[in-house]
Amino acid sequence: RKEVEQDPGPFNVPEGATVAFNCTYSNSASQSFFWYRQDCRKEPKLLMSVYSSGNEDGRFTAQLNRASQYISLLIRDSKLSDSATYLCVVNSSGFKTIFGAGTRLFVKA
Amino acid sequence: NAGVMQNPRHLVRRRGQEARLRCSPMKGHSHVYWYRQLPEEGLKFMVYLQKENIIDESGMPKERFSAEFPKEGPSILRIQQVVRGDSAAYFCASSRGTVDSYEQYFGPGTRLTVT
Repeated sequence: RKEVEQDPGPFNVPEGATVAFNCTYSNSASQSFFWYRQDCRKEPKLLMSVYSSGNEDGRFTAQLNRASQYISLLIRDSKLSDSATYLCVVNSSGFKTIFGAGTRLFVKA
Repeated sequence: NAGVMQNPRHLVRRRGQEARLRCSPMKGHSHVYWYRQLPEEGLKFMVYLQKENIIDESGMPKERFSAEFPKEGPSILRIQQVVRGDSAAYFCASSRGTVDSYEQYFGPGTRLTVT
């Protein structure tokens, strides 16, 4: 089992749709969780950290379920500019960082 | 406040040559990570360094690859005797590395092409 697993994708959605990404992790001792986005041929950019209480930033909502060991990212009212690959990232046992393989999102007009 | 800087952005090497990739972390960051990304694939962790120390090199190939982060100057990823399979994008990231901030910020990457 991979340490961090994401929905395989790709997701193809129309503008204005709500889309949800899920991510599971295997190490119950994991401490920090993040979502990054990566545009084609660019570096990953931090989208948001994920806190136990859940957090929201505009159209984006991230949630963490420690009991089930999964993280989610919800994007409401999708825009064309949201098209990218979304990476789930987990920090385990100190500084060890594991990136998920990513889920590609295509938002179409 | 400058972000993470990497140079060169593009590097072309012939098989057998050496490639040196440089990374300067963000101001205030003392932790550096190197990742490799092959076309259409995910990021693969290579090595994690603090100043003058390699903390985790579990993702580094055993041969030809080495990394350092000296007391002064940028972190360097060195690939000796490059082969075609080394062609990839190499990203560097930095973080404060404190308990309350494991967030990593990435540089623009170096695209290595081996001919």
